[in-house]
Amino acid sequence: ETGVTQSPTHLIKTRGQQVTLRCSSQSGHNTVSWYQQALGQGPQFIFQYYREEENGRGNFPPRFSGLQFPNYSSELNVNALELDDSALYLCASSLEGAFSSYNEQFFGPGTRLTVL
Amino acid sequence: GQQVMQIPQYQHVQEGEDFTTYCNSSTTLSNIQWYKQRPGGHPVFLIQLVKSGEVKKQKRLTFQFGEAKKNSSLHITATQTTDVGTYFCNEKLTFGTGTRLTIIP
Repeated sequence: ETGVTQSPTHLIKTRGQQVTLRCSSQSGHNTVSWYQQALGQGPQFIFQYYREEENGRGNFPPRFSGLQFPNYSSELNVNALELDDSALYLCASSLEGAFSSYNEQFFGPGTRLTVL
Repeated sequence: GQQVMQIPQYQHVQEGEDFTTYCNSSTTLSNIQWYKQRPGGHPVFLIQLVKSGEVKKQKRLTFQFGEAKKNSSLHITATQTTDVGTYFCNEKLTFGTGTRLTIIP
């Protein structure tokens, strides 16, 4: 177990709705990265938060937004859900910003989002 | 943008046979990490390579980083059913396409 938790584990939404996913990082970690993993694909980087600031962003539209709190837990918000947003959403915590460091990432179990 | 490709996409081996997955990048990598994701699970960190030509071993697993730092490989000797899963290489926040390993008992 990595100590990284995510909630909820599963979620079903309809197209056009909004969703908020939550992640608690491992104790002592100040960096959280979010990934989208479609079935049979590798994780795709959405964005990263380091000490409450966005520290990098992948190729995802602005309707994907996030937040990091003072305790380093994080939220991923997705507005105007589309069918293609159906995927496993993973968060990973690490020490320092992974963009400029070589630190390993500790993944949570993920949230399985289904958009109907 | 940078792409990290892995081959093969799938590999089916008889238990006890060896397995190798290759990771190739179009650009020079600063480092390479390897992760394993069991079916229904999440990626778990295996190892990190930083130096050109670096080789590291973990029991039956051997990891190599190319001299030009544009490719890497993971080799498993005498596979066991516990090796089942998808193996990903990763540089910072870019994951490879993965190699899914299945074992025939």
